[in-house]
Amino acid sequence: TQLLEQSPQFLSIQEGENLTVYCNSSSVFSSLQWYRQEPGEGPVLLVTVVTGGEVKKLKRLTFQFGDARKDSSLHITAAQPGDTGLYLCAGFPYTGKLIFGQGTTLQVKP
Amino acid sequence: DSGVTQTPKHLITATGQRVTLRCSPRSGDLSVYWYQQSLDQGLQFLIQYYNGEERAKGNILERFSAQQFPDLHSELNLSSLELGDSALYFCASSLRTGAYEQYFGPGTRLTVT
Repeated sequence: TQLLEQSPQFLSIQEGENLTVYCNSSSVFSSLQWYRQEPGEGPVLLVTVVTGGEVKKLKRLTFQFGDARKDSSLHITAAQPGDTGLYLCAGFPYTGKLIFGQGTTLQVKP
Repeated sequence: DSGVTQTPKHLITATGQRVTLRCSPRSGDLSVYWYQQSLDQGLQFLIQYYNGEERAKGNILERFSAQQFPDLHSELNLSSLELGDSALYFCASSLRTGAYEQYFGPGTRLTVT
């Protein structure tokens, strides 16, 4: 069974702090996506990474795909209360359907 | 706004009943996916349709069924409802099947009492 493990599961920080969320698997993925979900809403796609070692930046968010295509990280610089939400990683294995991690709940306090 | 629409937004029903959830994909998308999200299970893939045909099945119960119509909208039918079926149900669409980006609708919150 292919699994994506996210850590930490919960994170509560003060505004202005930096944080990193990790997404790990023993399986190789052709690509990996990060979503952000607010309560009562659907997940919103943030980024797709497709090349091993790839780094993508979206304003204060930095996404990295591991060289071996088994892991990814999301780093947020100077977190703001508007960053609060559930962050989900999702991977496409070479065969099979999109697999979601359990998510990281981030709370940024003003 | 992802371009994916789902109705209804909220649904409250009793155990043993049957409900139908509706999804309209983004314009041009041929593939529709259904997911269930509960607090303890996370986001679980249920079923995928591509251009009217079932493409992949996940953890979908036999009491649940779905279909995709010629106009590409999709319906998820949930029958003999149990308390444990209470959850958020999301529809997502993508251009084609495979490793394409999925865009999620706002979800239907189902409460079974």
